[in-house]
Amino acid sequence: AQSVTQLGSHVSVSEGALVLLRCNYSSSVPPYLFWYVQYPNQGLQLLLKYTSAATLVKGINGFEAEFKKSETSFHLTKPSAHMSDAAEYFCAVRRDTGGFKTIFGAGTRLFVKA
Amino acid sequence: NAGVTQTPKFRILKIGQSMTLQCAQDMNHNYMYWYRQDPGMGLKLIYYSVGAGITDKGEVPNGYNVSRSTTEDFPLRLELAAPSQTSVYFCASSDPGDYGYTFGSGTRLTVV
Repeated sequence: AQSVTQLGSHVSVSEGALVLLRCNYSSSVPPYLFWYVQYPNQGLQLLLKYTSAATLVKGINGFEAEFKKSETSFHLTKPSAHMSDAAEYFCAVRRDTGGFKTIFGAGTRLFVKA
Repeated sequence: NAGVTQTPKFRILKIGQSMTLQCAQDMNHNYMYWYRQDPGMGLKLIYYSVGAGITDKGEVPNGYNVSRSTTEDFPLRLELAAPSQTSVYFCASSDPGDYGYTFGSGTRLTVV
C-alpha cells in the first residue's frame, strides 16, 4: 500500500531563511508524488509534482523538491522564505489503481517570522 | 476560468438533518473526488467517481452518499447528520493524464 509521512506538524523559519519540509513515502511501485499548499480558508493548490521524469522538480513560488529513491524521500525546499509562504503544506502520493486516488500526508504548517 | 465550484461555503446543521453539498467542474475531467479535512489528520477520501454513472467508496464513506449523473456534477449527500461529520469538505477533479488535482474552495460544515 502506498502512503506518505510528513515529519513535523509545525515548522518555523525566519524570513529569508531556508525552508525545508520533509516527506517520506512508501510505495511498492514507482510513485507519483505531489506537494500541495493550502492558504487559510482556501482549497489546496498544486505546488509541484514528480512523475518519474527529472528527479529535481521545480514548482511555483520558488519551491522545489527532489525525489530520492534510496531514501524514499521527497522533501520540499525553498532557498529564502517569504512572509507570504506561511501556509499548510501537504505531501501526497497517487495510487495507480482505483481511480488514481491520491493519499495525503497529515500536513505541515509553516510559520515565517519577520 | 471557474475550475471546481463548491456550494455552500458554510453551513450549520442540527443533528439528524440532511443536506447536499454541491460540486461542479467545467474542465471536462472524468475523475472527481470528495475529501474531508480534520485538524492534524490531512485529507481523507470519502467517495470518488471515474465517470458519469460510476462511483466508489473511499476510506471514510459511512454516513455519506454520492451520485454522478453528469461529467460536470458530483454532489455529496449527508443523511442524518452527526457531530462527527463536522469538518471541512473538499471536492476535487483530475484528468488521468495530468496527475494532479484541482480543488474547490471547500464547504465548512458544523453539526450541532
